[in-house]
Order: sequence, then structure tokens, then C-alpha cells
Amino acid sequence: EAQVTQNPRYLITVTGKKLTVTCSQNMNHEYMSWYRQDPGLGLRQIYYSMNVEVTDKGDVPEGYKVSRKEKRNFPLILESPSPNQTSLYFCASSKGQNYNEQFFGPGTRLTVL
Amino acid sequence: QQPVQSPQAVILREGEDAVINCSSSKALYSVHWYRQKHGEAPVFLMILLKGGEQKGHEKISASFNEKKQQSSLYLTASQLSYSGTYFCGTEGKTGNQFYFGTGTSLTVIP
Repeated sequence: EAQVTQNPRYLITVTGKKLTVTCSQNMNHEYMSWYRQDPGLGLRQIYYSMNVEVTDKGDVPEGYKVSRKEKRNFPLILESPSPNQTSLYFCASSKGQNYNEQFFGPGTRLTVL
Repeated sequence: QQPVQSPQAVILREGEDAVINCSSSKALYSVHWYRQKHGEAPVFLMILLKGGEQKGHEKISASFNEKKQQSSLYLTASQLSYSGTYFCGTEGKTGNQFYFGTGTSLTVIP
């Protein structure tokens, strides 16, 4: 089954404790992206990757890091989480970056205390 | 560059029609529409690539006016299953970044 998986689905952590949210897709998609969703603000792009070893900032990259060492995986790293990073996070992938449908993972709800 | 959607929220009775608008202050090169049901991930509905293009998906269709930098999503004879939040989205000029609209919450009641 074609899908995007994210882990963990739920996470409660404390300020400053490094964490990684994993994202994996099995559709051989070149383009992958991370979004955060906050009430009243919709979905905002954090980082995106056009292919292996090619990543770039989206609209709200501060406090986040990503890497793309393999085509299927695109982890999101919060090296020193803060309460304002409490949010719902989605990973998405698509075939190529231009004008294509994005497939979303189930989401990760992160709470930073 | 986030597109603005209107209305922010709408409540319909089953069988009624609705229109959701999406507008941008910058040029739109394409318009995507997604629906997100409560507690779930967004799901793709359609993409419009050309100015004036209209597309349909069951009883949901959309239009794209490139000159006005606007798109509209039309839901006809709404069903309970149409409830959710609808997002338009657009790519930046290079096609690399992606911007979702502010969202429209649609609730269909019996």
C-alpha cells in the first residue's frame, strides 16, 4: 500500500530535550516536505526537499533541521524544542516538485512543556 | 504569500450548495485544493494549472481565474461527508515552496 508514515504519532516532551520525528514514504517520490498546523494559521511549510541531499527552507524553518540521506526518509529534528513548537506536524511527499498531488502522513501531535 | 480564503466557516444543510474562494496577492501559477476531515491528514481533491481552467470531482468542482489571482471551489448538493476544512494551495514561482491558504471550515448538517 502506497503511504507516508510518521513516528511517533503523539509526543510530549520538555523544553530543550532534542527529538526527531521520522517520516518515510514508499512511493519513490522525489519531493518531500514538512508542515506544521496551528489553529487559525493553517498549514505552513517548514522545510522541503527536492531530492536526496537537497533541502531548503520553507516559511517557518526557525528551530528545525532536516536531512535527506535516502530518498524514502525525511526526518524532522528539533534540537532544542520550545513551547512555541507545540503543534501538529505533517510530512508529505509528491512525485517531483511541480504541480503534483501531495500525499500526507497521519500527523504527529507534539507538546513541548 | 499565503492565499486568503473566504468564508472562514460555513454551515450548510444537506443538499445545499457552497462556494469557497481563494485569492492571492501574488501571481498564482497553479491552484491545489485539499480537504481535511477532523483528526485526519489533508487529502488531495484537484489541481488547476491554467487560467480559466475548470475541473470537477464528483459534485465538487473548481475554477481558476489567473488574471484575478483567484480560484473558487464549488460544492453542489452537499452531503454530510463533505464536512471538513478545505484548503487551497499554491506553489511559488520556482515550484519549490508550497503555500496553503488560511482554510475554510465547512459543516454539513442533516
